[in-house]
Amino acid sequence: SAVISQKPSRDICQRGTSLTIQCQVDSQVTMMFWYRQQPGQSLTLIATANQGSEATYESGFVIDKFPISRPNLTFSTLTVSNMSPEDSSIYLCSVIGPGGGYEQYFGPGTRLTVT
Amino acid sequence: AQSVTQLDSQVPVFEEAPVELRCNYSSSVSVYLFWYVQYPNQGLQLLLKYLSGSTLVKGINGFEAEFNKSQTSFHLRKPSVHISDTAEYFCACGGSQGNLIFGKGTKLSVKP
Repeated sequence: SAVISQKPSRDICQRGTSLTIQCQVDSQVTMMFWYRQQPGQSLTLIATANQGSEATYESGFVIDKFPISRPNLTFSTLTVSNMSPEDSSIYLCSVIGPGGGYEQYFGPGTRLTVT
Repeated sequence: AQSVTQLDSQVPVFEEAPVELRCNYSSSVSVYLFWYVQYPNQGLQLLLKYLSGSTLVKGINGFEAEFNKSQTSFHLRKPSVHISDTAEYFCACGGSQGNLIFGKGTKLSVKP
């Protein structure tokens, strides 16, 4: 399995500001994913981040709003830019396990509230 | 396009009773199916997975699920639930990009 940590665990931010969320994995992984879980909703994929290449964004998500960095095989950041109350969500990063395939391990999430 | 449907948004059940959480999927590619559990204010934990082989899959905490290709279902079951099983359960299938596609979740509430 893979152990994933995220920082911050939660934050309350003002409208119009930006927040950068960090995701650290205890092993080297090729693919990392960022998901959003809006209140009372399921998880929606924001983007896939592979080391050494630009992140691939899902429909409805754009790089200007959610820039992602992936500087190495154990770390990634997601920035939520120019925040509005609609961005209030839990943001989770995940990785495919060391064995490959589709099994994913999730970080504990970052609970963001925008006021 | 792949999709996952969880038929029940909430399932209340008494302690020690059996429970079944329903999940149906739609996929035109190879099927990989998962159940995750999310306890309050926590991240997602993998309960069990189906990648291939036996259609009856056993997971952690006494849960099991059966892959039924003809019915495109992957229902989660437990013969006797505990208060500690109160959580939200997500069914997911593997997407074409290595990602997961999630259902909307089922909140299991176990009452004494």
